[in-house]
Amino acid sequence: DQQVKQNSPSLSVQEGRISILNCDYTNSMFDYFLWYKKYPAEGPTFLISISSIKDKNEDGRFTVFLNKSAKHLSLHIVPSQPGDSAVYFCAASAGEGGGADGLTFGKGTHLIIQP
Amino acid sequence: KAGVTQTPRYLIKTRGQQVTLSCSPISGHRSVSWYQQTPGQGLQFLFEYFSETQRNKGNFPGRFSGRQFSNSRSEMNVSTLELGDSALYLCASSRTGGPSYEQYFGPGTRLTVT
Repeated sequence: DQQVKQNSPSLSVQEGRISILNCDYTNSMFDYFLWYKKYPAEGPTFLISISSIKDKNEDGRFTVFLNKSAKHLSLHIVPSQPGDSAVYFCAASAGEGGGADGLTFGKGTHLIIQP
Repeated sequence: KAGVTQTPRYLIKTRGQQVTLSCSPISGHRSVSWYQQTPGQGLQFLFEYFSETQRNKGNFPGRFSGRQFSNSRSEMNVSTLELGDSALYLCASSRTGGPSYEQYFGPGTRLTVT
């Protein structure tokens, strides 16, 4: 049973345009959400996060939107750059209760930025 | 500061053998988590150690075990290897492992079981 789903295995976007990566979750206990970026032969790199008490968090070109009622979050990258080509993982945590329950990851979306 | 390091980077083992993977967290980080990444299942949480104690465990069989030392370095052991254990094993460290959860990942150990 996949609790975090990224339904698009890959996404191709033209350089300079907006990239929108989507993620859905089923566990209503999740209260913290993160996006990680992964290049080949490297471990995932933390990108941006959002707490369930917010609906938007912005960091430079990256914005994460959270729709709790729909159990949906999205990552917007604008403008998209060639260096953004990577696999993006959505992850969720039910960690407000303290302790580390581990992150639950989606299977990733491979973003390809076309020149 | 130095990132998370994992050794070895690549490993080939035979079915039935056992293997030990090592992870050195970022200096000052006390929480170390282990994940298994496979093409079919994605990234799955194995376990997390904090101050030498296993604080949480994912849904993996008992063949997967780990430990953490007083310097926060961690090892993961897999006994009686199966073909399905072939995967990229990632270690991640964070300062406390609390809700802010900004984990820093190492490059991983690629384990191939033949």
